[in-house]
Amino acid sequence: EAGVTQFPSHSVIEKGQTVTLRCDPISGHDNLYWYRRVMGKEIKFLLHFVKESKQDESGMPNNRFLAERTGGTYSTLKVQPAELEDSGVYFCASSQDLYSGLSYNEQFFGPGTRLTVL
Amino acid sequence: AQSVTQLGSHVSVSEGALVLLRCNYSSSVPPYLFWYVQYPNQGLQLLLKYTSAATLVKGINGFEAEFKKSETSFHLTKPSAHMSDAAEYFCAVSENSGGYNKLIFGAGTRLAVHP
Repeated sequence: EAGVTQFPSHSVIEKGQTVTLRCDPISGHDNLYWYRRVMGKEIKFLLHFVKESKQDESGMPNNRFLAERTGGTYSTLKVQPAELEDSGVYFCASSQDLYSGLSYNEQFFGPGTRLTVL
Repeated sequence: AQSVTQLGSHVSVSEGALVLLRCNYSSSVPPYLFWYVQYPNQGLQLLLKYTSAATLVKGINGFEAEFKKSETSFHLTKPSAHMSDAAEYFCAVSENSGGYNKLIFGAGTRLAVHP
């Protein structure tokens, strides 16, 4: 079974440009999460999808960030326009649906996208 | 609000020595607690989790952690370090609401193992 995949693995852009990150969750996982780690700091929650709906976007830094999950499969995270402080590693994770019967639905993480804004 | 503190951003041990990575948390409700490991160029991998069952939790690769409510701690240990254990380790607590698990992470501890 394929794990969570993310594309690209690295992206280097200039301030003011636009970047789109993609995440493909494990097939059948309804929950999809985005997290971000700024260098040397903790990994922080950005938002959570259940299927195509945003369940919680309390961690999104500002309106320059737009996340979508059309059709409830893969997700994209667009940063427009990018600023220097957006540099970091963006992780995606997915987990099974709420009614899987587990007391805790383990989140499976992708390898991350390293974004550098110059 | 829940939070996680990992004491020591870098830990270095000799091969065969005890590994101890410290994690303290704050939570107003019984927490779910986790340790994740990230090897170079890979995603985060779950090492072990505490979900209110046994307080001593055994994970993969010989790691274990003990939940101590009185100390609000969840330290990660391994009796004998191996070179392959060199990685970055993250402690996390979960805000569990209605089955949705937003993770709150510590800043991470990078473990170096030297011969």
